[in-house]
Amino acid sequence: QVQLVESGGGVVQPGRSLRLSCAASGFSFSSHSMHWVRQAPGKGLEWLAFIWFDGTNKYYADSLKGRFTISRDDSKNTLYLQMDSLRADDTAVYYCVRDREDQGKYYFDYWGQGTLVTVSS
Amino acid sequence: DIQMTQSPSTLSASVGDRVTITCRASQSINNWLAWHQQKPGKPPKLLIYKASSLESGVPSRFSGSGSGTEFTLTISSVQPDDFATYYCQQYNSGFTFGQGTNLEIK
Repeated sequence: QVQLVESGGGVVQPGRSLRLSCAASGFSFSSHSMHWVRQAPGKGLEWLAFIWFDGTNKYYADSLKGRFTISRDDSKNTLYLQMDSLRADDTAVYYCVRDREDQGKYYFDYWGQGTLVTVSS
Repeated sequence: DIQMTQSPSTLSASVGDRVTITCRASQSINNWLAWHQQKPGKPPKLLIYKASSLESGVPSRFSGSGSGTEFTLTISSVQPDDFATYYCQQYNSGFTFGQGTNLEIK
């Protein structure tokens, strides 16, 4: 079955960096585009970043202002999110999400359990 | 950017009730809309995609309809397992979620 397991979360000081990982299994990772979505405590869902199945295209939410970078290593079936210049309002649960393509549109079909990032001094 | 607005924010219902949640897009998204269910402390789960297509394994009491800018999610007979928060999400242009609707026990 599809499994997405995030790791790398924790407590980090403002201005520092953190890299999240998402280990995928149970499906052909290299055939799927992938996303990162986050959820601040008690809040709704916010899409962050998207990487095509072959890694050739990447898209980001405007709100990130270039601080985050999505990448993938298909040899390790792993998705990454490099987060730089972290701020208190980046505190959230970060989800790795698989997508499914339908006529050139991509929707989210499987979500990982999430990893909590807390930005605090 | 496309904005998604859900109503109501909170919905109180009893087991067996029929409930409907509405989602409006700030511009046409054709039928590129998904609905996700989230329970406390858990990740979201896909229920509906392409506005009305039921995801495999999802009970048939869930249904979706709409196109363009107005969409609905209906639960025909609410079950105890359905009390959760529901999010609509457009994927026509970028990816945007509604603010969520909390379905609570009356």
